[in-house]
Amino acid sequence: QSVLTQPPSVSGAPGQRVTISCIGSNSNTGAGYDVHWYQHLPGTAPKLLIYANNYRPSGVPDRFSGSKSGTSASLAISGLQAEDEADYYCQSYDSSLSRSVFGGGTKVTVL
Amino acid sequence: EVQLAESGGGLVQPGGSLRLSCEASGFTFSAYTMNWVRQAPGKGLEWLSFISSRGSTIDYADSVKGRFTISRDNAKNALYLQMNSLRDEDTAVYYCARTYCVNYSCYPWSAFDIWGQGTLVTVSS
Repeated sequence: QSVLTQPPSVSGAPGQRVTISCIGSNSNTGAGYDVHWYQHLPGTAPKLLIYANNYRPSGVPDRFSGSKSGTSASLAISGLQAEDEADYYCQSYDSSLSRSVFGGGTKVTVL
Repeated sequence: EVQLAESGGGLVQPGGSLRLSCEASGFTFSAYTMNWVRQAPGKGLEWLSFISSRGSTIDYADSVKGRFTISRDNAKNALYLQMNSLRDEDTAVYYCARTYCVNYSCYPWSAFDIWGQGTLVTVSS
């Protein structure tokens, strides 16, 4: 069981907006540690999508956005495209475990 | 181009050893904290270990502490993971990843901004 909880899957039609939640606790997200998001296609290198809750690295489309409030964070994908079909992971730091932690991952399916 | 490339994966018997390498290019390797992360079949990402830019600070996940050893050679732009006493549950794709640093300040809670393609380790008899 992952320290950060994500829904196993979300789906949407092309052009729609989907959101992925990431729920932590008072020792990680609730303690003020940033949340980061990655896009991962199996067999390829994971790609950093959002860092420090809501910042996009250069080259990441503005269709991807992140937010954080209290112990929860979310990733939103607007204008869903077929190429967005992938696994998405959230990451934070846990002060009780003294290590970086990941969510269990969410598979996004474009209908 | 900023790149990381893992190598050294393969099939190993339970109880055996393997050494993974990660070659860095396109950036000042010696300035960055580096990490190993793995993904077991059908599972999510699991952080394993980090090493600071000069190798002075190291940490491990409990699942590999005492069995795995992280190291680096800044002269060769290389990161390593020595894996001993391997178990079936260590079967996974292993990734090296760079910590996102601001003005060469790298923190354990920072994102991982560059990842390699991964190398597959299969532990089986």
